[in-house]
Amino acid sequence: DGGITQSPKYLFRKEGQNVTLSCEQNLNHDAMYWYRQDPGQGLRLIYYSQIVNDFQKGDIAEGYSVSREKKESFPLTVTSAQKNPTAFYLCATNGLGGTEAFFGQGTRLTVV
Amino acid sequence: GEDVEQSLFLSVREGDSSVINCTYTDSSSTYLYWYKQEPGAGLQLLTYIFSNMDMKQDQRLTVLLNKKDKHLSLRIADTQTGDSAIYFCAERSTGANNLFFGTGTRLTVIP
Repeated sequence: DGGITQSPKYLFRKEGQNVTLSCEQNLNHDAMYWYRQDPGQGLRLIYYSQIVNDFQKGDIAEGYSVSREKKESFPLTVTSAQKNPTAFYLCATNGLGGTEAFFGQGTRLTVV
Repeated sequence: GEDVEQSLFLSVREGDSSVINCTYTDSSSTYLYWYKQEPGAGLQLLTYIFSNMDMKQDQRLTVLLNKKDKHLSLRIADTQTGDSAIYFCAERSTGANNLFFGTGTRLTVIP
């Protein structure tokens, strides 16, 4: 079954902790993206990667880190430096030159 | 930088047509998209239009593009309660690596 899998669906973090959100795809897409969604705002780009072992900062990269060791995987770490991490996080992919971005089902992160 | 704007809310009665509007600022936009997001879920691509087109129709959905005014609209005919969701407009510029999204319009369909 092809697609993008984000896990977990819900995640709770204590203040000062780092947490890692998983994004796995079996679409053989080269490009992967992490977006953050807050109520009443559009999606904002955190990081993206167009190829294995390479990634670029998006508009709101501060307090986040990523890795791209495998084509299929693009995990996002929310560090303690991120002052307001409570949000809905969406992972997306598309093939290079492709017109369409495909989205995972999202992870809702809450700081407690 | 790119700016994509949408109104936040729209309510329509079941069976009526819905029109969701979007404006954008990037004159080099190549592709313009409409995504649908149901509660607690990811985004689902509804349709997209290439910038050299004026209109695209797909079943109940009609997309109109006025490139001169940088205005994009999505019309949903015979709106159903299952159409209640947030609709995002997005654009991609030539050579850009990602999409730029509007704030999303929450469509509420009243039975």
